[in-house]
Amino acid sequence: SQTIHQWPATLVQPVGSPLSLECTVEGTSNPNLYWYRQAAGRGLQLLFYSVGIGQISSEVPQNLSASRPQDRQFILSSKKLLLSDSGFYLCAWKGDLAVNTGELFFGEGSRLTVL
Amino acid sequence: AQSVTQLGSHVSVSEGALVLLRCNYSSSVPPYLFWYVQYPNQGLQLLLKYTSAATLVKGINGFEAEFKKSETSFHLTKPSAHMSDAAEYFCAVIQSGAAGNKLTFGGGTRVLVKP
Repeated sequence: SQTIHQWPATLVQPVGSPLSLECTVEGTSNPNLYWYRQAAGRGLQLLFYSVGIGQISSEVPQNLSASRPQDRQFILSSKKLLLSDSGFYLCAWKGDLAVNTGELFFGEGSRLTVL
Repeated sequence: AQSVTQLGSHVSVSEGALVLLRCNYSSSVPPYLFWYVQYPNQGLQLLLKYTSAATLVKGINGFEAEFKKSETSFHLTKPSAHMSDAAEYFCAVIQSGAAGNKLTFGGGTRVLVKP
């Protein structure tokens, strides 16, 4: 069966420090991968998605970047965190639309607090 | 283009009462529709999905939703609320067959269950 893991689960970082959140998927190959952010009162915002290794699409201009160095690994990064980067970050994956009708499967989330 | 509107960011119900969460969508092609539930500090879990088969869809935890094309709606219901139903619920839409396959989420509805 397929599983998705994110880490760290919680993170408290000072303003201006770097960030790295990691997400890995097991039990599938060539998944579409996604990073979402939930900020207080703002619902789910799609940040990045990837359809393959090295292929990253950004949905909104921001202080963050994403990379996909391996087929089942998706990393969210920042060189210098801002207060506004605080939030709950969710990684998700999706298999072939023809196979599983397009729903996303989410990781457990990473809570980032920037102080 | 596709979009989702969830009416009511907060809903309060008494234990044992009907739960009704409203979702309306817009899509230029036949959609696939989903309801997700999120418990505090956790990722999103799929409750149910509509993929152009039966219009009345049954999901986990006693929830069901009915796809009504004429009303462009996909409301979520549960006949009798339980304390464990307290969570945030998200409706989502994807255009069937769309390349890139990006899910669009509604703003979410937080459910409070009163004893």
